[in-house]
Amino acid sequence: NAGVMQNPRHLVRRRGQEARLRCSPMKGHSHVYWYRQLPEEGLKFMVYLQKENIIDESGMPKERFSAEFPKEGPSILRIQQVVRGDSAAYFCASSPTPGQSYNEQFFGPGTRLTVL
Amino acid sequence: AQSVTQLDSQVPVFEEAPVELRCNYSSSVSVYLFWYVQYPNQGLQLLLKYLSGSTLVESINGFEAEFNKSQTSFHLRKPSVHISDTAEYFCAVSDPGGYNKLIFGAGTRLAVHP
Repeated sequence: NAGVMQNPRHLVRRRGQEARLRCSPMKGHSHVYWYRQLPEEGLKFMVYLQKENIIDESGMPKERFSAEFPKEGPSILRIQQVVRGDSAAYFCASSPTPGQSYNEQFFGPGTRLTVL
Repeated sequence: AQSVTQLDSQVPVFEEAPVELRCNYSSSVSVYLFWYVQYPNQGLQLLLKYLSGSTLVESINGFEAEFNKSQTSFHLRKPSVHISDTAEYFCAVSDPGGYNKLIFGAGTRLAVHP
């Protein structure tokens, strides 16, 4: 039973390019969370998605960032026109379908984005 | 709004010594509390959690944490650390009514020396 998968593990982009980060949740999980970890800081919530729906994007920067979780395929975090300040580790977590008050989040290994 | 404060950014300790990593939170509602561990260049692993019930929770590798509602704290302790415990430790809270998104502290880097 594979865990949460993220790819690529490392991504290097030049300023102005686009970055696409992928997250495949655990089998049977239909909820995905994205978090960003800036150097020397804790993780910050970005967005929470269910299949085909964005539920909470209160942590997403207003511009250049978008996320989707299509019916088929992985969740994608897209960053357009990257800047040096976007350099960070981006973690995805998945949790199972609601039905109980608490659903544990299982984290992927992260994608480390470096903007040159 | 909820927030988490980890009072120590780094904690150096010798092997087999006891350790306490401090965590305080602020919230106007009941929350769930967590400790996650992150080894270098890896993702986060859940170490232990408090949802309800007994205020003392334990992990399988000897860590324990106690929920103290009056002090709004959830400190992590281990009576005798090993070299392999060297890692970054994050305290987090989630709002049960807020889609369970996690609010993390800044982390504490535990360095165990021989």
